[in-house]
Amino acid sequence: SAVISQKPSRDICQRGTSLTIQCQVDSQVTMMFWYRQQPGQSLTLIATANQGSEATYESGFVIDKFPISRPNLTFSTLTVSNMSPEDSSIYLCSVEERVGYTFGSGTRLTVV
Amino acid sequence: GIQVEQSPPDLILQEGANSTLRCNFSDSVNNLQWFHQNPWGQLINLFYIPSGTKQNGRLSATTVATERYSLLYISSSQTTDSGVYFCAVERNYGQNFVFGPGTRLSVLP
Repeated sequence: SAVISQKPSRDICQRGTSLTIQCQVDSQVTMMFWYRQQPGQSLTLIATANQGSEATYESGFVIDKFPISRPNLTFSTLTVSNMSPEDSSIYLCSVEERVGYTFGSGTRLTVV
Repeated sequence: GIQVEQSPPDLILQEGANSTLRCNFSDSVNNLQWFHQNPWGQLINLFYIPSGTKQNGRLSATTVATERYSLLYISSSQTTDSGVYFCAVERNYGQNFVFGPGTRLSVLP
């Protein structure tokens, strides 16, 4: 299965600032997915990132708050903008393969 | 959209005990996976099992697609099995991969 490198693994940020999370895959993939996991909750899909087109956002998530880049078939970034304590979560990237989804190791974000 | 339920929400076991976790889903699926999230937040893929039965060491899983449920069996549990177990499903390739609420397992020494 694909190997996904995600960084940073964790960060503590001041409210009002932005953080960019990077996701690198060791093989070319058509779609990459970004998820959020709030404390004590399950995972929720933020958006689907296709190379060469705008990301598709799920209900409740907007591009101004979570801009996504997908410059090529192995890399994507998610930015969490103008952060507030409510953005404290684990953010994970994922790819789908023939035998299901594989996830990066996650970025644990704390906003103070 | 598709709904996913998991039971029980919490489970506490003594080391060495066996357990069964259940996942119910509301529609036909082409993908079902079980994940273990360890205390550090890392999500480990346990099984890709849209139908049938699979075994991997002390873990096994069965999905009965026609009845829209899946079971994860953990035998001879160890403290390292502690964490949250998620079931996730997808109706069709590339569509929203929906996670259940999880079962939080604590294995006591």
